[in-house]
Amino acid sequence: DAMVIQNPRYQVTQFGKPVTLSCSQTLNHNVMYWYQQKSSQAPKLLFHYYDKDFNNEADTPDNFQSRRPNTSFCFLDIRSPGLGDAAMYLCATSRVLGIRQPQHFGDGTRLSIL
Amino acid sequence: AQKITQTQPGMFVQEKEAVTLDCTYDTSDPSYGLFWYKQPSSGEMIFLIYQGSYDQQNATEGRYSLNFQKARKSANLVISASQLGDSAMYFCAMREAQAGTALIFGKGTTLSVSS
Repeated sequence: DAMVIQNPRYQVTQFGKPVTLSCSQTLNHNVMYWYQQKSSQAPKLLFHYYDKDFNNEADTPDNFQSRRPNTSFCFLDIRSPGLGDAAMYLCATSRVLGIRQPQHFGDGTRLSIL
Repeated sequence: AQKITQTQPGMFVQEKEAVTLDCTYDTSDPSYGLFWYKQPSSGEMIFLIYQGSYDQQNATEGRYSLNFQKARKSANLVISASQLGDSAMYFCAMREAQAGTALIFGKGTTLSVSS
């Protein structure tokens, strides 16, 4: 049973054309995260939501935005994708914040920029 | 300075053998959690095992165990009886209580299991 679902698995967009990636969860977790993972690198946290509270990492580019309309869904919007934004984007959830809380990841969306 | 260091870019092991994947970490926070994740070539990140900084016992989950040496700041993952399906990238990660939510990942180790 898929618990963190990301759509689509593969996304191709044009340089500068806005794109939205989708994540949904059936775990009813309070926290949802977005990570960027470039080829052969470790995932890097972009931002997270605790319920409706949005928290941006200090070095996340302004080009990246997020929306969480309800508990189950979270979206990643890239306003003007550049070639350097080609990466795997991973959505994750955790029940609450806290060091003991494992994060449950989706299968990721691999974004290509033409 | 890197918070999580995984010094083995690649490891090779035969089926049924045990393998240890190294992880060292750097923190001044007395309260932290250490995680291992597996990422197959398909891309999903699979949570394997957790160790808390105050946990007295080393964590175990089935064939996975964590060799936690707090004084050395190491948290090595031991996989017993390797299987072909264990071939994947393995990430060590840390979460510090004072740093908030960020899960800081190491660069990963690619494990290849052969028959």
